[in-house]
Amino acid sequence: DGGITQSPKYLFRKEGQNVTLSCEQNLNHDAMYWYRQDPGQGLRLIYYSQIVNDFQKGDIAEGYSVSREKKESFPLTVTSAQKNPTAFYLCASSTGTSGSGSGELFFGEGSRLTVL
Amino acid sequence: AQSVTQLGSHVSVSEGALVLLRCNYSSSVPPYLFWYVQYPNQGLQLLLKYTSAATLVKGINGFEAEFKKSETSFHLTKPSAHMSDAAEYFCAVSDSVGTGGADGLTFGKGTHLIIQP
Repeated sequence: DGGITQSPKYLFRKEGQNVTLSCEQNLNHDAMYWYRQDPGQGLRLIYYSQIVNDFQKGDIAEGYSVSREKKESFPLTVTSAQKNPTAFYLCASSTGTSGSGSGELFFGEGSRLTVL
Repeated sequence: AQSVTQLGSHVSVSEGALVLLRCNYSSSVPPYLFWYVQYPNQGLQLLLKYTSAATLVKGINGFEAEFKKSETSFHLTKPSAHMSDAAEYFCAVSDSVGTGGADGLTFGKGTHLIIQP
């Protein structure tokens, strides 16, 4: 079945360490996204990519970095510069400009990062 | 800039009662609108979407929503609540029609639906 796979599902990190969250999709979607979810705050966009080797900052990009070397993959690195990294991270994809244009997002199961 | 307001962070209904979750949006252009559902520690699943066709949209699990331009609303309803409906619900908007919606969606803060037995 086609879908989006995020790993790991749970991750613990010590302060000062960088961590990388994996996101892989086999939906043949052009666009991919990273959202951060905190209780009572909904989802906030960190980064997105509409095409390979290109990406744009979202609303809360500070302390995060991404790469898009392959269409299927969009890893997110949470750096030590992120002051409050404990959160639930969601990866999503869409057909982007090549699709129906509705903007519908397809989500992975999420990764929960806890900083100790 | 677009935004979404969901009235009520928590809504409690009895099993078998009507479910009504409210969503209002602001957008400078005709929007696309979405409702997603999230169960604990899982990703979001699409319930339904409005993309400028019929204003009354039917989704999965018996949910439906009506787009009312004059009220800038897209409220979610279900005639009879079931225990399995207990979850977090998010309303979202996309007005980047010119880019095929590829800039991502703007989400409301969510409404936690509680079903009382």
